[in-house]
Amino acid sequence: SAVISQKPSRDICQRGTSLTIQCQVDSQVTMMFWYRQQPGQSLTLIATANQGSEATYESGFVIDKFPISRPNLTFSTLTVSNMSPEDSSIYLCSVALGTEQYFGPGTRLTVT
Amino acid sequence: GENVEQHPSTLSVQEGDSAVIKCTYSDSASNYFPWYKQELGKGPQLIIDIRSNVGEKKDQRIAVTLNKTAKHFSLHITETQPEDSAVYFCAASSRGTYKYIFGTGTRLKVLA
Repeated sequence: SAVISQKPSRDICQRGTSLTIQCQVDSQVTMMFWYRQQPGQSLTLIATANQGSEATYESGFVIDKFPISRPNLTFSTLTVSNMSPEDSSIYLCSVALGTEQYFGPGTRLTVT
Repeated sequence: GENVEQHPSTLSVQEGDSAVIKCTYSDSASNYFPWYKQELGKGPQLIIDIRSNVGEKKDQRIAVTLNKTAKHFSLHITETQPEDSAVYFCAASSRGTYKYIFGTGTRLKVLA
């Protein structure tokens, strides 16, 4: 398995601002993922972030709104840009070890 | 597109009883099926998984069964305990994609 940390654990932000979420893993991994989990809902994949290449976004998610960085094999950031109340969610990063994925604790974002 | 249906959405059982959660997937190319447990305020935790070349896997009180013909798989928890109370998610993944399609989740309550 892998130990994954996220910062911040939670935040309350005003609409129109941006928040950058950090994800750190304790070992080198090729594939990292960012998910959104709206209140009481399931997990929806935002994008796949491989080191050394551009992130691949899922349908309904665009780079201008959710820019992602992946500077090395243990770290990634997700920025939620120009936030609106509809962006209030839990944002989760995960890493792939073989076919298994391990998740971080999540960042709970509230946009007012 | 790919879809994973999960039932029931909520499940209450008496402590010591068994709990069964069922998922059905649509993509016949799916070959890996993990189950996650998410406790309040935490990220999903991988608890058991099964690959398409086996029909059943067991780990202590938890077991998963897979019926490839019917495209459904189930999580079985025996001798439930209050600490089993959580939201459980199934997922399906196709060979080589590393992308998971998650079910909608089951909120399990174990009543003492």
